[in-house]
Amino acid sequence: QSVLTQPPSASGTPGQRVTISCSGSSSNIGANIVNWYQQLPGTAPKLLIYSNNQRPSGVPDRFSGSKSGTSASLAISVLQSEDEADYYCAAWDDSLNGPVFGGGTKLTAL
Amino acid sequence: QVQLVESGGGVVQPGRSLRLSCAASGFTFSSYAMHWVRQAPGKGLEWVAVIWLDGSNIHYADSVKGRFTISRDNSKNTVYLQMNSLRVEDTAVYYCVRDRFNGSGKTPGYWGQGTLVTVSS
Repeated sequence: QSVLTQPPSASGTPGQRVTISCSGSSSNIGANIVNWYQQLPGTAPKLLIYSNNQRPSGVPDRFSGSKSGTSASLAISVLQSEDEADYYCAAWDDSLNGPVFGGGTKLTAL
Repeated sequence: QVQLVESGGGVVQPGRSLRLSCAASGFTFSSYAMHWVRQAPGKGLEWVAVIWLDGSNIHYADSVKGRFTISRDNSKNTVYLQMNSLRVEDTAVYYCVRDRFNGSGKTPGYWGQGTLVTVSS
């Protein structure tokens, strides 16, 4: 059981807006920045969003992140078929002294 | 560009040991904390350990504490993971990950391609 809680699956049609939620506690999301990772099928994870809402260079601006209290969310404004992947949220946990991950959300473009 | 190349994975019997290595290039290795993160087959990501710049600050996940040891050699731009008393549940792809930020150790950023460790009798 993961420390951060994500829905196991999400879906949308191409062009649609999709959001993925991530819920934590005061020792992780409530106290530290949230990061999001994208894992395309058969590949290593890639940092998608860092510091709650920052995109590394090369990440399309249709991806955005937000955080409020002990929850965070990832939004894809215009879903594309190549966005089909597993998405993980993560945050440092002050009690565990390490980063904790959500269980992952499998995104399907219908 | 950041490159991380893991090696040392393979098949090992329960109770035995294995040492993973990660060779880094494309950045000033001594300025970044390094993590190991693993992913069991068909499962999610699990952080394993982090080592700060000079090795003075190290943290482990509870699941590996006392069995795994992370270390680094800044002269060789390499980070290691010594895994002892391996269990079947340690079977996973092990990723070497550089922190996103210079001088910090809280944000796994750049990932290697991973090396598979299979613990089986």
